[in-house]
Amino acid sequence: AQKITQTQPGMFVQEKEAVTLDCTYDTSDPSYGLFWYKQPSSGEMIFLIYQGSYDQQNATEGRYSLNFQKARKSANLVISASQLGDSAMYFCAMRGGNQGGKLIFGQGTELSVKP
Amino acid sequence: DADVTQTPRNRITKTGKRIMLECSQTKGHDRMYWYRQDPGLGLRLIYYSFDVKDINKGEISDGYSVSRQAQAKFSLSLESAIPNQTALYFCATSEGISGANVLTFGAGSRLTVL
Repeated sequence: AQKITQTQPGMFVQEKEAVTLDCTYDTSDPSYGLFWYKQPSSGEMIFLIYQGSYDQQNATEGRYSLNFQKARKSANLVISASQLGDSAMYFCAMRGGNQGGKLIFGQGTELSVKP
Repeated sequence: DADVTQTPRNRITKTGKRIMLECSQTKGHDRMYWYRQDPGLGLRLIYYSFDVKDINKGEISDGYSVSRQAQAKFSLSLESAIPNQTALYFCATSEGISGANVLTFGAGSRLTVL
């Protein structure tokens, strides 16, 4: 069975500092994808970054990077130079290779950025 | 207009009532999904459809039904609402081709069952 685990219910970070949000996963599929979504207080789900299981390089999108450690089955999100607008709920998600577009989600981490 | 539109955005209803949540998309995507979000549980898949004639149960389909009226429309029904169906419901779409196959979400429908 596939599973995504986010062990940090809440995190605090000082503005302009970097922060790492943890995500571990479990799957027996050799091919899979890992995603991070942001949910601000307004409620919408915003796609941030994607990592394929066969990608050699860690994914980066602006201030977001995904620290992909395949052997450890972890896909941590790193946000550099935190901004007040980064305060939100963050969800890690996974798609198995034979699951079409279906994603399974972790429980989420609420990030608060302090001025 | 939003790429994925959900109606209603907010709904308060009573136990036993039938409720329909509607989703329409202008992305031209074949694949559509309904998820439910509860605090501390993340998002859980209710139903999904990979094309107009395809309907599949997700992780938590009991108490729900869906209809794919067209490529662009996917509705979720609660035949007889109960209080533990109080949640934030999301419709999402994806292209269905190889690669990232990123889900695009609607703004959500907040349902309260009294």
